[in-house]
Amino acid sequence: QKEVEQNSGPLSVPEGAIASLNCTYSDRGSQSFFWYRQYSGKSPELIMFIYSNGDKEDGRFTAQLNKASQYVSLLIRDSQPSDSATYLCAVKTSYDKVIFGPGTSLSVIP
Amino acid sequence: DGGITQSPKYLFRKEGQNVTLSCEQNLNHDAMYWYRQDPGQGLRLIYYSQIVNDFQKGDIAEGYSVSREKKESFPLTVTSAQKNPTAFYLCASSGVSRSDLAKNIQYFGAGTRLSVL
Repeated sequence: QKEVEQNSGPLSVPEGAIASLNCTYSDRGSQSFFWYRQYSGKSPELIMFIYSNGDKEDGRFTAQLNKASQYVSLLIRDSQPSDSATYLCAVKTSYDKVIFGPGTSLSVIP
Repeated sequence: DGGITQSPKYLFRKEGQNVTLSCEQNLNHDAMYWYRQDPGQGLRLIYYSQIVNDFQKGDIAEGYSVSREKKESFPLTVTSAQKNPTAFYLCASSGVSRSDLAKNIQYFGAGTRLSVL
């Protein structure tokens, strides 16, 4: 089992819809969780991080964490074509390493 | 402005040649990392350093070497032993925050694209 898993996509959503990106992790003791956005040919940039169970909202982005299910998600409301990118989930494990998932490619169709 | 600077942006390697990728940060971060990214793939950790004069191998260290003589600098050498070096190389750093949790946020440079001639 890989340590951090994401659906590779591509995930296609129409403009204005909600995009839902999912991430599961294997280390039950993982402490904090990060979502990065990476445009094609560019480096990753942090969108949000979360460490408590529940939801954390920042503008159009909501991160959701369920430690019991070892699941973290990112919701993007009112998706825009500029949101088209690859989204990387990263997890800080109990053994003090940050592990990146393979990323999910999102395409927002105008 | 604070940030992470990688150079060069593009690099070409001849067979049998060693090449060095530069990474400099002025964020006063303790930890620095090197990742390799192949097309359509995620990030794979090559080496990381949590303190000056100390570094650890990541998941794919073979064919690579690093040094950490200064806090600000973490150069990566791609040696001739790395037979398939063509990839996008990303340097990142983390640390220095009032929040212990925020200390783990990694900030990335713009990357170096390495190709083989």
